[in-house]
Amino acid sequence: SQQGEEDPQALSIQEGENATMNCSYKTSINNLQWYRQNSGRGLVHLILIRSNEREKHSGRLRVTLDTSKKSSSLLITASRAADTASYFCATVPYNTDKLIFGTGTRLQVFP
Amino acid sequence: NAGVTQTPKFQVLKTGQSMTLQCAQDMNHEYMSWYRQDPGMGLRLIHYSVGAGITDQGEVPNGYNVSRSTTEDFPLRLLSAAPSQTSVYFCASSYSSGTSHWEQYFGPGTRLTVT
Repeated sequence: SQQGEEDPQALSIQEGENATMNCSYKTSINNLQWYRQNSGRGLVHLILIRSNEREKHSGRLRVTLDTSKKSSSLLITASRAADTASYFCATVPYNTDKLIFGTGTRLQVFP
Repeated sequence: NAGVTQTPKFQVLKTGQSMTLQCAQDMNHEYMSWYRQDPGMGLRLIHYSVGAGITDQGEVPNGYNVSRSTTEDFPLRLLSAAPSQTSVYFCASSYSSGTSHWEQYFGPGTRLTVT
């Protein structure tokens, strides 16, 4: 079974709205990362948050991490049509070298 | 830098055939890994390597072999292809897991169909 699961599986919004995606995972982690994938292409790293951090920002992205609930959220503010993609969380379980991906959220942003 | 390159881009195999998917990186990354992506399943880790000469199994290693004789290359071998191995395969690399980076750089993928 996969370490992470994203919620919702799919999300449709209008340009300018905010998009929030959630990720839950099962075991203690070293860090959690978010990636973006456009239409079957290779994944692109967005942001990494370590287990001792609670919040991180990068441009229009805001990531939070709650290790007590084993969950993270990715907020994209003021979304654009170009943000249309699939978004994946990935975790490095504690004391491992494995990066394990979740199932992803498909985001559609309409102009 | 070319980043992470994968060949071939597309491949069709018959059941039982063997083949090697190639992956190379020119960033001097110690960590390399292989994933497969199936519809609705996200990415699943097949094998990974923390450095030349060291490999380990991921979540779905059965039916695949890897070796890491150089830092740059990390080929994935399908021993006897099965239709269940029809998927898109991604190779990724990053700096050593001992650093704070852990940002993975992905190749463009190989789309494999087994008939």
